[in-house]
Amino acid sequence: GESVGLHLPTLSVQEGDNSIINCAYSNSASDYFIWYKQESGKGPQFIIDIRSNMDKRQGQRVTVLLNKTVKHLSLQIAATQPGDSAVYFCAENRDSGYALNFGKGTSLLVTP
Amino acid sequence: SAVISQKPSRDICQRGTSLTIQCQVDSQVTMMFWYRQQPGQSLTLIATANQGSEATYESGFVIDKFPISRPNLTFSTLTVSNMSPEDSSIYLCSVSQGGPTDTQYFGPGTRLTVL
Repeated sequence: GESVGLHLPTLSVQEGDNSIINCAYSNSASDYFIWYKQESGKGPQFIIDIRSNMDKRQGQRVTVLLNKTVKHLSLQIAATQPGDSAVYFCAENRDSGYALNFGKGTSLLVTP
Repeated sequence: SAVISQKPSRDICQRGTSLTIQCQVDSQVTMMFWYRQQPGQSLTLIATANQGSEATYESGFVIDKFPISRPNLTFSTLTVSNMSPEDSSIYLCSVSQGGPTDTQYFGPGTRLTVL
């Protein structure tokens, strides 16, 4: 079936550097994408979303880029901080519209 | 965004027993979902909880094993029935206001261990 996947299972960055987390999706009909952050022992926390009619969206220290040609999504975190250490999931809405299909997750570790 | 709470936050249960997990939202929401997150893995949708009607289950999940109730627009329960160690997971409730591109917000999760 259609799937969403991540290129790298773990990412280690130094505090202050920029982080880039990548995600590939296979369903060309997907029109909504979300990034979630999950800290240990907590539920996923919404970070930022993007609709398929956009290529880029910025939030506070985060930017999501969408390349529909190659079906690729990325999350950029500027000036990464220790509090950014978590697992990051990309997700897309399914063909049926409401439920989300989640990628495998990338563990981000920020070192001092 | 809605504030979502789940009870219990964690539990340790014996195989063969059942556990009911509650999800409470502080405002009325259109859509409520239940997900499972097995240890070290991603989230898998169990079902969509429909208000006033039977839940819609995903492939691999059945009502006898995971009965769901949704009596109103702010509350839902998920029961994990006749538990086995393979049911040890985090169970997560999520909500949205209804459109396909409406943001889904998640509760804190219920960490279940089955011995």
